Amino acid sequence: ETGVTQTPRHLVMGMTNKKSLKCEQHLGHNAMYWYKQSAKKPLELMFVYNFKEQTENNSVPSRFSPECPNSSHLFLHLHTLQPEDSALYLCASSQDSRGEQYFGPGTRLTVT
Amino acid sequence: LAKTTQPISMDSYEGQEVNITCSHNNIATNDYITWYQQFPSQGPRFIIQGYKTKVTNEVASLFIPADRKSSTLSLPRVSLSDTAVYYCLVGGIYNQGGKLIFGQGTELSVKP
Repeated sequence: ETGVTQTPRHLVMGMTNKKSLKCEQHLGHNAMYWYKQSAKKPLELMFVYNFKEQTENNSVPSRFSPECPNSSHLFLHLHTLQPEDSALYLCASSQDSRGEQYFGPGTRLTVT
Repeated sequence: LAKTTQPISMDSYEGQEVNITCSHNNIATNDYITWYQQFPSQGPRFIIQGYKTKVTNEVASLFIPADRKSSTLSLPRVSLSDTAVYYCLVGGIYNQGGKLIFGQGTELSVKP
């Protein structure tokens, strides 16, 4: 499926690096999400954008900075991350904010 | 916030019907119930969504009792490829302050 794409698929970064994750949806949806999935843990909702406006920030540390320039693109800017931030980062989109979300393949992030 | 509880794991055999129950005692009036399937290193995939009573699509059925405090995902005649983690999601409408919460997930193992 190519409805929601994420780049890169894998990323290894040092604790002092700055990198960005990119998500793009080709479904004409209005809401986009960032999730974090650590090993053996449930998906954790990080950020929600609805019509390009951030409507949810789930107590995420400031070293994660989201950006939504338009309803098709979502970025997650990363800086001075910690090893415990290593996880699978998933992007999703939905037509509205009611629940049926389409997920991208994720970015596997390793912080060294 | 509506918290969900699911069995951590279930085992089944090919051709059997599998029923996975999710408890959500604090579900709110405007919350929908959604189930997702996730294979390793992939993003979750939408299976089915409902509000009350019964919903059926080409892959599953969702049973919701009148009090809506639980829901049961029913997978008819499972195959080996149905081995995955199944998540129960309860959520409302963001522009009314609702949140989407994933459960712990149920790891379903289908054996030959």
